[in-house]
Amino acid sequence: EDQVTQSPEALRLQEGESSSLNCSYTVSGLRGLFWYRQDPGKGPEFLFTLYSAGEEKEKERLKATLTKKESFLHITAPKPEDSATYLCAVQEGRYSSASKIIFGSGTRLSIRP
Amino acid sequence: DTGVSQNPRHKITKRGQNVTFRCDPISEHNRLYWYRQTLGQGPEFLTYFQNEAQLEKSRLLSDRFSAERPKGSFSTLEIQRTEQGDSAMYLCASSLAFRTGDNQPQHFGDGTRLSIL
Repeated sequence: EDQVTQSPEALRLQEGESSSLNCSYTVSGLRGLFWYRQDPGKGPEFLFTLYSAGEEKEKERLKATLTKKESFLHITAPKPEDSATYLCAVQEGRYSSASKIIFGSGTRLSIRP
Repeated sequence: DTGVSQNPRHKITKRGQNVTFRCDPISEHNRLYWYRQTLGQGPEFLTYFQNEAQLEKSRLLSDRFSAERPKGSFSTLEIQRTEQGDSAMYLCASSLAFRTGDNQPQHFGDGTRLSIL
């Protein structure tokens, strides 16, 4: 069964303290891996898509990387406004023609000033 | 604002009542999705449309749930005979796809929060 597991569940950092969030997945052929940011009471906001192992994407203080089994979201010198829940999602590709994506439970990131 | 729009933002209703939510996708997007999200969990897929055709439904979608996208533009999600377990955030997303299995990112609305009394 396709699964997406994110760790840690919650992470508290001091402003400027860099760290990484992990997303491990098991799917029958990866069509795409997506990172989203979600603020309380809001819908997920798209950040990155990664398609193949070795690929990297960057946006401001965030950098996403992908291997055959997991993805990392690296956050460099975070600021309080980076506080949010970060969601990872995968689209399975080998046996399904559907566009549904499977989400992990997210990592709640809190940055203290 | 040209993003995905959902109405209402909040809905409180008594158990047993019917409720209907509306989603207006990004105008050029041909795919529309419905998800359900409970506290501390990621969104769970419910169903999706390609234009007006409903192409897939999750096993989570009981027969009390029905979704429509009559003209390939906005969509409605109706829940009949609501139960306590239906309390959740219902999210709509849209994307632009050119072929089956296309992996373009989905863009989400801010959801409708449903509370069952």
